[in-house]
Amino acid sequence: DTEVTQTPKHLVMGMTNKKSLKCEQHMGHRAMYWYKQKAKKPPELMFVYSYEKLSINESVPSRFSPECPNSSLLNLHLHALQPEDSALYLCASWDEQFFGPGTRLTVL
Amino acid sequence: RKEVEQDPGPFNVPEGATVAFNCTYSNSASQSFFWYRQDCRKEPKLLMSVYSSGNEDGRFTAQLNRASQYISLLIRDSKLSDSATYLCVVNGGGNQFYFGTGTSLTVIP
Repeated sequence: DTEVTQTPKHLVMGMTNKKSLKCEQHMGHRAMYWYKQKAKKPPELMFVYSYEKLSINESVPSRFSPECPNSSLLNLHLHALQPEDSALYLCASWDEQFFGPGTRLTVL
Repeated sequence: RKEVEQDPGPFNVPEGATVAFNCTYSNSASQSFFWYRQDCRKEPKLLMSVYSSGNEDGRFTAQLNRASQYISLLIRDSKLSDSATYLCVVNGGGNQFYFGTGTSLTVIP
C-alpha cells in the first residue's frame, strides 16, 4: 500500500467550530508531516512527527494542534480558526515525501 | 537567504519544445534532491529523485551539480500534459525538506 490517505477531502467550518483532519499511511514510514499550501505558493511546513514524537513545530499558532496516535496515523485538530487559515492542508510521509491528496479547508 | 531558490516562471512553450528548469540551494550539506510535479488543486507528486550521476526517465532528465549547488530538470519533446507546476525539493538533513517556490509550465498547442 504505497499511498497516503487524508480525510475529509473538503471541509467548511466556522470560526467557532472544532474539527479534525486525519491522515493515514501504511508504508512503515516513521516521519509524518503536515503542510499548509495557499494558492500559487509552495507547501509550508507546519509540523513533523518522527517516531510518533513531535520533532519540528514551525511556530504554528496554537489553534492548530497535531496528534500522532500511532505510527500510521496523524491528526490535525482545529479550533477557533481564522478565515486566513483557509488553504489546502497536505499530509506527507518520509521517504521522498509521499503526499496525501490534501484537505481543502475553508473557514467562514 | 532562502534555502532553495527557483525561478517561478511562467514558462510558456510550444508542444515539442525542450525546456529546462534550474533550482539552487544554499546548504552545501544537503543530502538528497527531488523534483515534484503539482497539477492545479492537486497534491505534489514525485517526478524524479536527483542523483549526482544524473538520471533520466523517458523525456525527463535530472542533474545535480554539487559544486555549484544547483539541480536541473530537462523536459524534451514537451506534451500538453506536461503543463503543471514543478517544485524542487531539497533535504537539508534529518526530517527537514525545503521547497522551491515552484516553476509554472504551460505547453501550448
